Amino acid sequence: SQTIHQWPATLVQPVGSPLSLECTVEGTSNPNLYWYRQAAGRGLQLLFYSVGIGQISSEVPQNLSASRPQDRQFILSSKKLLLSDSGFYLCAWSVPGINNSPLHFGNGTRLTVT
Amino acid sequence: GDSVTQMEGPVTLSEEAFLTINCTYTATGYPSLFWYVQYPGEGLQLLLKATKADDKGSNKGFEATYRKETTSFHLEKGSVQVSDSAVYFCARTSGSEKLVFGKGTKLTVNP
Repeated sequence: SQTIHQWPATLVQPVGSPLSLECTVEGTSNPNLYWYRQAAGRGLQLLFYSVGIGQISSEVPQNLSASRPQDRQFILSSKKLLLSDSGFYLCAWSVPGINNSPLHFGNGTRLTVT
Repeated sequence: GDSVTQMEGPVTLSEEAFLTINCTYTATGYPSLFWYVQYPGEGLQLLLKATKADDKGSNKGFEATYRKETTSFHLEKGSVQVSDSAVYFCARTSGSEKLVFGKGTKLTVNP
């Protein structure tokens, strides 16, 4: 069966520090991968998605970036965090090529920028 | 662009009450529609889905019907339990790879 792992679960970082959140998927090949951010009162915002290694689509301009160095690994990064980067970050995967394929989410990372 | 609008919460009900959470979507293309549930401190879990007009998705006593004429996908449950307390998200597909979510509706069920 397929599983998705996200870490760390919680993170407290000072403003201006770098960020690296990692997500890995097991039990499937060539998944579509996603990073969402959930901020209080703003619902889920799609940040990045990837349909293959090295292929990253950015949905919202910001100081975050994403990379997919391996088929089932998706990394969210920042060189310098802002206070506004605080939120709950969710990684997800879906089966490629199927229009109604649901997303399967990890348990999220709670990021607090101080 | 593609979007989803859900009723704002929070919603507070007593156990065994009837639940409706309204959801409407922009009528572009032929989207699939989903309801997700998020329990405290966790990621989102798929609750149910419908892929074409008049389809009814159901799971764990929850139901939602894909209404093309009203562009709606309202979530209903006849008798809620305390364990149903969570945040509920309505979503639609956007293109072949993305889901667009509503802002979420927090449900609290009191014993």
